[in-house]
Amino acid sequence: DAEITQSPRHKITETGRQVTLACHQTWNHNNMFWYRQDLGHGLRLIHYSYGVQDTNKGEVSDGYSVSRSNTEDLPLTLESAASSQTSVYFCASSDGSGYGYTFGSGTRLTVV
Amino acid sequence: DQQVKQNSPSLSVQEGRISILNCDYTNSMFDYFLWYKKYPAEGPTFLISISSIKDKNEDGRFTVFLNKSAKHLSLHIVPSQPGDSAVYFCAARGNAGNMLTFGGGTRLMVKP
Repeated sequence: DAEITQSPRHKITETGRQVTLACHQTWNHNNMFWYRQDLGHGLRLIHYSYGVQDTNKGEVSDGYSVSRSNTEDLPLTLESAASSQTSVYFCASSDGSGYGYTFGSGTRLTVV
Repeated sequence: DQQVKQNSPSLSVQEGRISILNCDYTNSMFDYFLWYKKYPAEGPTFLISISSIKDKNEDGRFTVFLNKSAKHLSLHIVPSQPGDSAVYFCAARGNAGNMLTFGGGTRLMVKP
């Protein structure tokens, strides 16, 4: 069965370190998204990609970057982790129809 | 400026009664609306949707109502069950591309 997986599920890192969160989907979806979920803010878009070599900034992109070298993967990199980036991160993919996303199970990141 | 708002962060109802979750939006260009359900430690999953050309869509115990003139949609769950306890996100799609904009979420607690 097709799926979308995120790793790691939990991560603790120190302020200033570079961290990469993985997202891998086997739906063969062109569109992939990264969101963060914070209390009171819901799901906020960080970055998104509509295909290989395409990346775009979302609502809260400062301090984050992504790269898309193949259809299946969209890793999210925190260049220099900050305590404000402590959050739960969700990756999602879609077929481009706009009729819904499929989400991964999330990565809980704690920056200490 | 939040284009999709869920003004009630939490809602508590008794098992067997009706749960009504509300969502307001400001962008009149939104053409498709979705509700997602999220359990702890899991990613959001699609629940039900409605096109802007309709005013009601029903799927079992779940019904979504859309009032375009008021820019308001609601999710009705009848009867509510303890397993419905989760966070519910409202989302809207703009007709330019397939980007979804999410509300802040409402935590529903159904008491036995």
